[in-house]
Amino acid sequence: NAGVTQTPKFQVLKTGQSMTLQCAQDMNHEYMSWYRQDPGMGLRLIHYSVGAGITDQGEVPNGYNVSRSTTEDFPLRLLSAAPSQTSVYFCASSYGPADNEQFFGPGTRLTVL
Amino acid sequence: RKEVEQDPGPFNVPEGATVAFNCTYSNSASQSFFWYRQDCRKEPKLLMSVYSSGNEDGRFTAQLNRASQYISLLIRDSKLSDSATYLCVVNTGTGNQFYFGTGTSLTVIP
Repeated sequence: NAGVTQTPKFQVLKTGQSMTLQCAQDMNHEYMSWYRQDPGMGLRLIHYSVGAGITDQGEVPNGYNVSRSTTEDFPLRLLSAAPSQTSVYFCASSYGPADNEQFFGPGTRLTVL
Repeated sequence: RKEVEQDPGPFNVPEGATVAFNCTYSNSASQSFFWYRQDCRKEPKLLMSVYSSGNEDGRFTAQLNRASQYISLLIRDSKLSDSATYLCVVNTGTGNQFYFGTGTSLTVIP
C-alpha cells in the first residue's frame, strides 16, 4: 500500500493564481482531512470529509474548496492564491472518526509570491 | 483561546534522561486524545493514543487528567532517536475535527 500520497511536493504560485493540491489514499478510509501547518500555529484543519460526496468546513476554510467524488481522492483547490496561504499542507485519512489514527501524506510546501 | 496548548520548548536533554511534556485542552467535552511525533520536515505520525486509565508503550507513558483537562507524555531513558517535535492532539467528538497543539521540540544530546 502506498498509504496517503500528495502531489506536488513543492509549488510556487503568484498572487491570484489558482491550483489544486492532490491527495489520494489506498487504504479505503472513509475520513479524509486537509490541514495547513504554519510556524507557531500548529496544524489547523481546513476542510474534511466523512465519505464520498460529503465535505465540511474546518477551522480555516476561507480561500479553499474541496470535493470528494471518490473514496480515494480528496483534492484541495486554492481559488485565488494569496501570500497568507504560504504554508505546508498535509492531507490525512483515517478509518473512522474520533479515536482512530490519522495517516498523513508527506505534505506540499506552497509559497505564494 | 486555543483549543490545545503546549509548551513549545525546546527541551534539550542528555541521553538516558527522563523528560515530561504537558498539554492542556479547553473543551471539557473532548473525547479522544493522542500524542503524535513529527520529525523535521516530515509528516506527523501517531505515537500513542491516551486513555483515561493511562497507558504505557515501552519507554513512553501517557496520562489523561479530565478534571484538570491536561494530558502528559513521559519519556524514560531518552534516546538520540527520540529527538523530534511532539504534538498533542484532541478530538472533541464533533465530526472529524482534530485540534493540534503547536508541538514541543525535544533534542536528545549525546
